[in-house]
Amino acid sequence: DAGITQSPRHKVTETGTPVTLRCHQTENHRYMYWYRQDPGHGLRLIHYSYGVKDTDKGEVSDGYSVSRSKTEDFLLTLESATSSQTSVYFCAISGRYSNEQFFGPGTRLTVL
Amino acid sequence: GQQVMQIPQYQHVQEGEDFTTYCNSSTTLSNIQWYKQRPGGHPVFLIQLVKSGEVKKQKRLTFQFGEAKKNSSLHITATQTTDVGTYFCAGATRDNYGQNFVFGPGTRLSVLP
Repeated sequence: DAGITQSPRHKVTETGTPVTLRCHQTENHRYMYWYRQDPGHGLRLIHYSYGVKDTDKGEVSDGYSVSRSKTEDFLLTLESATSSQTSVYFCAISGRYSNEQFFGPGTRLTVL
Repeated sequence: GQQVMQIPQYQHVQEGEDFTTYCNSSTTLSNIQWYKQRPGGHPVFLIQLVKSGEVKKQKRLTFQFGEAKKNSSLHITATQTTDVGTYFCAGATRDNYGQNFVFGPGTRLSVLP
């Protein structure tokens, strides 16, 4: 498996609190992605990054922000968590020469 | 926006039977990828198809990309219990940056021993 980790792996929080999820890679890949996975919806792209400080929105970006200050780290922030953001969040990376995406182990987030 | 659909949503088969999942896009795709996710795991890349009408095989798995590049299929011959999981297709279009894919909702495969 590619060197990609996510932290935390599990988190329970309350509505209205800020939450930050971290994705860390050791592969020096250019592209990084944040997806959420919900039953019946597959994987939906939240935000992606195509380089340090270069990010763009995906199809479900409302309520989320991202930052990438280093190649290896991509942070996803929920400014004020809502119950609709309860989900499993996956980070993925892909390289310069291949579209193949390598996924991290996921973070299960529960917003009460 | 672009939509990617998959059928069936669920499939239960007896070990040894064949299995097929179909993927359909609302728009013409530049390429399509397939992933497998085991229960409790993360998606794992299987293959990418790029050319119209392309067929690729990986042991018991056969992948096809439609002539119009709007649909694809994954066929598993003689399923085994190790094939259990959810299979996702992910399609990219030229309107996208080129590195972003829209995932279908997946087909969950159960294999009864």
